[in-house]
Amino acid sequence: GAGVSQSPSNKVTEKGKDVELRCDPISGHTALYWYRQSLGQGLEFLIYFQGNSAPDKSGLPSDRFSAERTGESVSTLTIQRTQQEDSAVYLCASSLGHIWAQTQGAGELFFGEGSRLTVL
Amino acid sequence: GQNIDQPTEMTATEGAIVQINCTYQTSGFNGLFWYQQHAGEAPTFLSYNVLDGLEEKGRFSSFLSRSKGYSYLLLKELQMKDSASYLCAVKRGGGNKLTFGTGTQLKVEL
Repeated sequence: GAGVSQSPSNKVTEKGKDVELRCDPISGHTALYWYRQSLGQGLEFLIYFQGNSAPDKSGLPSDRFSAERTGESVSTLTIQRTQQEDSAVYLCASSLGHIWAQTQGAGELFFGEGSRLTVL
Repeated sequence: GQNIDQPTEMTATEGAIVQINCTYQTSGFNGLFWYQQHAGEAPTFLSYNVLDGLEEKGRFSSFLSRSKGYSYLLLKELQMKDSASYLCAVKRGGGNKLTFGTGTQLKVEL
């Protein structure tokens, strides 16, 4: 597609349930990122993929959070046993890989509209 | 670690000029980005600075001083649609991962 697509756009779940959030990056973008944004807060980095590998998962807040990427395309962020503090907007972004970024300009991130997660 | 500071809120008048400041402390600095985010929407890229100086793009300009760990975003001829959150973000090292500040909520009034 033309832009980064995320689904679902809204998810309401009960505490303790598992949720899966999906991201379809811009075609050809080898780098993919997950961030989350809580009300009134900045964007908090979660995990970064280069291809299907995750060289930086330092932002995942606990072992309840995991993510995978397949086919150098779609990524899924999974939150197990959700807690109320997990409520936030989860944003996915993609960019040309770091080699391209160094030669083609800024290598800016292109963001999706986000998935708003509410844990009751 | 990294520390990125920007004002929480600013208010300006339609047609005026506003400057949004951002200071940062980081090792391995490799570029500074400004993003605009309207409420409920995705952040969109505005500007990128890696060298000292001013980058101009229409009504928007961004300045960087690496020695001072300082950047600003300058918005001219403000329009009501410029009311949004402006996010300063720093790139570190060879990858594309960005670390964001908490954003400056700009309100443009008549």
